[in-house]
Amino acid sequence: RKEVEQDPGPFNVPEGATVAFNCTYSNSASQSFFWYRQDCRKEPKLLMSVYSSGNEDGRFTAQLNRASQYISLLIRDSKLSDSATYLCVVNLEGVETSYDKVIFGPGTSLSVIP
Amino acid sequence: DTEVTQTPKHLVMGMTNKKSLKCEQHMGHRAMYWYKQKAKKPPELMFVYSYEKLSINESVPSRFSPECPNSSLLNLHLHALQPEDSALYLCASSQGPPVPSSGGNNEQFFGPGTRLTVL
Repeated sequence: RKEVEQDPGPFNVPEGATVAFNCTYSNSASQSFFWYRQDCRKEPKLLMSVYSSGNEDGRFTAQLNRASQYISLLIRDSKLSDSATYLCVVNLEGVETSYDKVIFGPGTSLSVIP
Repeated sequence: DTEVTQTPKHLVMGMTNKKSLKCEQHMGHRAMYWYKQKAKKPPELMFVYSYEKLSINESVPSRFSPECPNSSLLNLHLHALQPEDSALYLCASSQGPPVPSSGGNNEQFFGPGTRLTVL
């Protein structure tokens, strides 16, 4: 089993749609969690950290379920500019080592269509 | 300043060349990373420096040699690369463990990358 798995995608949705991405991780001792977005030929950019209580930033809502080892990202009212690859990232900081060990999921591609 | 800078943006080199990639951050971060990313794949971790010491070498061939001259700089020296080493090389930094007591999650900030082509 891969350490971090995501919906295979791609997701093609119309503008204004709501889209949800799912991510699961295998190491129950994982410490922190993130969603990054990556545009074509660009570097990954932090979209949001994911906290146990869930968190929202405008149209974006992230949820974490530690018991199920599951992370989600919900995008409401999709915009054309949301088209990108969304990467689920898990940090095993200080769990097995004294340093950060960051693991990326394979990413899910989103295309928002006019 | 929340920026990680990398130079050069593009690099084309032959298999016998020696070149270096450079990365710099001025956020006071104590952990810096090198990643390799091939097309349509996620970044793969190569090296981690934590407090200027090499903490992780993910079985990277010796033709890649990292160097951390100080807490703000990270280099990747390249020698005798192969065409399959062509990729986007990303540098990142984070505050480093332990998780800050003030909150936050030790997010990583990425530089724009160096697109490397090995002929």
